[in-house]
Amino acid sequence: SQKIEQNSEALNIQEGKTATLTCNYTNYSPAYLQWYRQDPGRGPVFLLLIRENEKEKRKERLKVTFDTTLKQSLFHITASQPADSATYLCALDNEGGSYIPTFGRGTSLIVHP
Amino acid sequence: DAGITQSPRYKITETGRQVTLMCHQTWSHSYMFWYRQDLGHGLRLIYYSAAADITDKGEVPDGYVVSRSKTENFPLTLESATRSQTSVYFCASTGGISYNSPLHFGNGTRLTVT
Repeated sequence: SQKIEQNSEALNIQEGKTATLTCNYTNYSPAYLQWYRQDPGRGPVFLLLIRENEKEKRKERLKVTFDTTLKQSLFHITASQPADSATYLCALDNEGGSYIPTFGRGTSLIVHP
Repeated sequence: DAGITQSPRYKITETGRQVTLMCHQTWSHSYMFWYRQDLGHGLRLIYYSAAADITDKGEVPDGYVVSRSKTENFPLTLESATRSQTSVYFCASTGGISYNSPLHFGNGTRLTVT
């Protein structure tokens, strides 16, 4: 069955550095991949989407790559700030073809001033 | 205010009780979803609805009931709550199921079953 893996360990980085989060998946070839941000006590908020035929997508300080050969997406935050501290979730469309997102467990990012 | 709201924000109930979690959205989105979020499992889909009076099971539907008589509301009922249903429940909506239709989430209901 479809499996999505995100690093369960928190990523700690210094302010100003680039944060890179990883989303790996197996047993499926998704049509798209989404990234969400979740703050404590809040619901996830959509950040970026990348389609299977796109290699890279950018939005301000955010960049997402999608390597369908490696079955991996990388999520980069450049010039990171303490306000970027949150949990970041990746989501893939359901393997049943319904396009309903299936979520990874998320990776916590902590940016230290 | 436009958006998606869930109520209550916190709920404590006893094993065996029936409890209903409410979800209301003001965008007239056709699709609505219920997810539960637990440590170690991430977000798991319970039920979803493609339109009023159309619902379907997700990954973990057992013990839950949903209805959708109006487009804007999608309540989730635990018919006889169990401790394993202690979780944070998120409602979400989107205008359509396609690659470019991200989900919009509410801020969740934290449910504790004692």
